[in-house]
Amino acid sequence: AQSVTQLDSQVPVFEEAPVELRCNYSSSVSVYLFWYVQYPNQGLQLLLKYLSGSTLVESINGFEAEFNKSQTSFHLRKPSVHISDTAEYFCAVSYSGGSNYKLTFGKGTLLTVNP
Amino acid sequence: KAGVTQTPRYLIKTRGQQVTLSCSPISGHRSVSWYQQTPGQGLQFLFEYFSETQRNKGNFPGRFSGRQFSNSRSEMNVSTLELGDSALYLCASSPSTGPGGYTFGSGTRLTVV
Repeated sequence: AQSVTQLDSQVPVFEEAPVELRCNYSSSVSVYLFWYVQYPNQGLQLLLKYLSGSTLVESINGFEAEFNKSQTSFHLRKPSVHISDTAEYFCAVSYSGGSNYKLTFGKGTLLTVNP
Repeated sequence: KAGVTQTPRYLIKTRGQQVTLSCSPISGHRSVSWYQQTPGQGLQFLFEYFSETQRNKGNFPGRFSGRQFSNSRSEMNVSTLELGDSALYLCASSPSTGPGGYTFGSGTRLTVV
């Protein structure tokens, strides 16, 4: 069975500071990895994903995540955050074999960017 | 291109009642999944439909059911509502059953009183 651990439930940072949101997964098989963001009263938006190839993946708004197979991690980073990045971030994993692509989510990390 | 549309956005029901939630996927998307989001349990997978067939199912009681129509629209039904069913129900669609990420709707906020 797969599981996802987001090590920090809340991360407060100041504007323009760097941030790292940590995600570790547990799976005995190969997986696909995702980061989703949820703004208040909205659904989830796909931020970035790792399916194969380069272990470093980037989003259009400056976030990046690196797949580390040996450490079973997929941490999300941004070198300089903005107030508008305040949201809840969810790491998710999907099994890469068969036809079952359901997402298993972590509990989420609330990122609060303060002025 | 319209996104995933869920109706209604908010719903208040009484214990014991039943409820039906609707999801219209992005045009051309054939896979629809449902998730329940609560503060305590987080995001949990309910079920997935592809071409009107349930392909995957999560660990929820039989009170939770769903279906998908020939136009890929999907409904989920919860019978005999319990207070613990209060949650945000999210629908997500994908072009196929492959990975690549799902597009989520804004959800239906169900409150059971």
